[in-house]
Amino acid sequence: EAGVAQSPRYKIIEKRQSVAFWCNPISGHATLYWYQQILGQGPKLLIQFQNNGVVDDSQLPKDRFSAERLKGVDSTLKIQPAKLEDSAVYLCASSTGLPRNTEAFFGQGTRLTVV
Amino acid sequence: GESVGLHLPTLSVQEGDNSIINCAYSNSASDYFIWYKQESGKGPQFIIDIRSNMDKRQGQRVTVLLNKTVKHLSLQIAATQPGDSAVYFCAENRDMRFGAGTRLTVKP
Repeated sequence: EAGVAQSPRYKIIEKRQSVAFWCNPISGHATLYWYQQILGQGPKLLIQFQNNGVVDDSQLPKDRFSAERLKGVDSTLKIQPAKLEDSAVYLCASSTGLPRNTEAFFGQGTRLTVV
Repeated sequence: GESVGLHLPTLSVQEGDNSIINCAYSNSASDYFIWYKQESGKGPQFIIDIRSNMDKRQGQRVTVLLNKTVKHLSLQIAATQPGDSAVYFCAENRDMRFGAGTRLTVKP
């Protein structure tokens, strides 16, 4: 089966600019996650969707980060405006989510560099 | 705070030796645990999982042990190979948060 697709693979922007990342989860997976992974650290959960509803966004910096999953399939994560400390790999993952969270399948990530 | 954590940030082993990677968790309500392997430039990849009604689960060259009394997980890799070099993370299903990970380096 096709895996989790993410684009772009790499992105370089200047601070205060905006950027958006796209994720297409595995077909049929109800749960979608966005993680931020700073170099040398573990992935940090930013937001979890169940279908098109938000389950957990407690660690999402809502003043600059937003995410949506309007049709319960693919998702976008946006940063506006970007800061230098946002430089990281942004990972998208999906799972069946039933009956509770199960193994998540990850995409290759988008490496963001803010200069 | 983080719900999972790793005891050792780095582990170096000789090829052919066995490796043990440890992980502590804090949420006693967690009922499902997952080990992931992350190679450079890639997303984390599922290795093995275990449910809280089990103490041990074996896969191909990997074994996960769960001690619910002390909230501790371990991942054992038998006959470690150079291809096992990666960062290993544990996660639990209550909030799908990761610890810092352990970097395993296998020396030929």
